[in-house]
Amino acid sequence: KAGVTQTPRYLIKTRGQQVTLSCSPISGHRSVSWYQQTPGQGLQFLFEYFSETQRNKGNFPGRFSGRQFSNSRSEMNVSTLELGDSALYLCASSLDSGGQFFGPGTRLTVL
Amino acid sequence: AQSVTQLGSHVSVSEGALVLLRCNYSSSVPPYLFWYVQYPNQGLQLLLKYTSAATLVKGINGFEAEFKKSETSFHLTKPSAHMSDAAEYFCAVLGGSNYKLTFGKGTLLTVNP
Repeated sequence: KAGVTQTPRYLIKTRGQQVTLSCSPISGHRSVSWYQQTPGQGLQFLFEYFSETQRNKGNFPGRFSGRQFSNSRSEMNVSTLELGDSALYLCASSLDSGGQFFGPGTRLTVL
Repeated sequence: AQSVTQLGSHVSVSEGALVLLRCNYSSSVPPYLFWYVQYPNQGLQLLLKYTSAATLVKGINGFEAEFKKSETSFHLTKPSAHMSDAAEYFCAVLGGSNYKLTFGKGTLLTVNP
């Protein structure tokens, strides 16, 4: 069974731009979660989707948004990028919430 | 609310020595507990998880962890370290109805030849 895939793997943007990251979960998994990883803050939860509905949200500003499609694929969008948004963005999928399998991440650099 | 504390941001061992990475958790409900490993420039790989079955959990690559409710601990061990074990290790807790993993700050494991 294929693992969680994320595209693109690397991204360079400038301040003020917006970006969309994509995540394809493991086949059959309906829960997709997004995390931000930075050296200073560690791993922080962004949001979780289950069957196209946002089920939980972390403490991030409204510039961070996401959605999930009927095939469980998910996208997250960050608008009006700031330097502090530079991070590794990780997507994780699970059947429900009993165990989460992570993708390789998207490394976003904001210049 | 859940929280995780990993004692020691950096642990250094010799090849062949015991690996012990410490994790203490706080959870208002019976938790699910996880250990992940992260190699440079990669995502997180699940090593093992505790889901209220056996308290001693065996994972991949020879790692195991023991859930001790009385100590609210879930320490990760491996009898004999290998050079390929050098990586960052994260303990995480999933509890309640908020469907999110709460991670510790991570422990960087160095293995010396």
